[in-house]
Amino acid sequence: ETGVTQTPRHLVMGMTNKKSLKCEQHLGHNAMYWYKQSAKKPLELMFVYNFKEQTENNSVPSRFSPECPNSSHLFLHLHTLQPEDSALYLCASSPGQGDGYTFGSGTRLTVV
Amino acid sequence: SQQGEEDPQALSIQEGENATMNCSYKTSINNLQWYRQNSGRGLVHLILIRSNEREKHSGRLRVTLDTSKKSSSLLITASRAADTASYFCATAGASKIIFGSGTRLSIRP
Repeated sequence: ETGVTQTPRHLVMGMTNKKSLKCEQHLGHNAMYWYKQSAKKPLELMFVYNFKEQTENNSVPSRFSPECPNSSHLFLHLHTLQPEDSALYLCASSPGQGDGYTFGSGTRLTVV
Repeated sequence: SQQGEEDPQALSIQEGENATMNCSYKTSINNLQWYRQNSGRGLVHLILIRSNEREKHSGRLRVTLDTSKKSSSLLITASRAADTASYFCATAGASKIIFGSGTRLSIRP
């Protein structure tokens, strides 16, 4: 247990479904992140939240919608995804931006 | 891009040997970090070295940083089977961290 909890661990969804990924940390960190990890590709930064405010959107398609209701929780809402969106989605937090990250175990997403 | 690039992409060594992985990057950084990832899991932070530091140790890990060459190395001494994983360097600029593609390390028994 790293202190960053992601649920669910695995998710299979159809292209017309709507689902949400959840991330929770109680480390007192101020920054939270969503990353996408596809096979044979570097980790792709998707979104950055600092003190609950979104500070980075790395040209992510609108079918991915983040939400950060407070500094401990981060969601990634998914709708009308494509098969190429299948990947491991990782949440991370850090005390401040640029500090070492604590990662969750990830959600393995499969879009069918 | 400030993205770090690891070298080699894959490394296979005998248990007990030392493993060295290298990372090169292109722009100035505030710090450089190394992470380990076991298959299909999240990344684990190993060590952070600041731009004004040249060497750092943590247990069997030794990290060096040469800002003039824009490069870093991670040395794992006396490797164990449990060290089998992918290792990533990550370069931290003013506002975000960029990860490299990783080195896949395999330890042969």
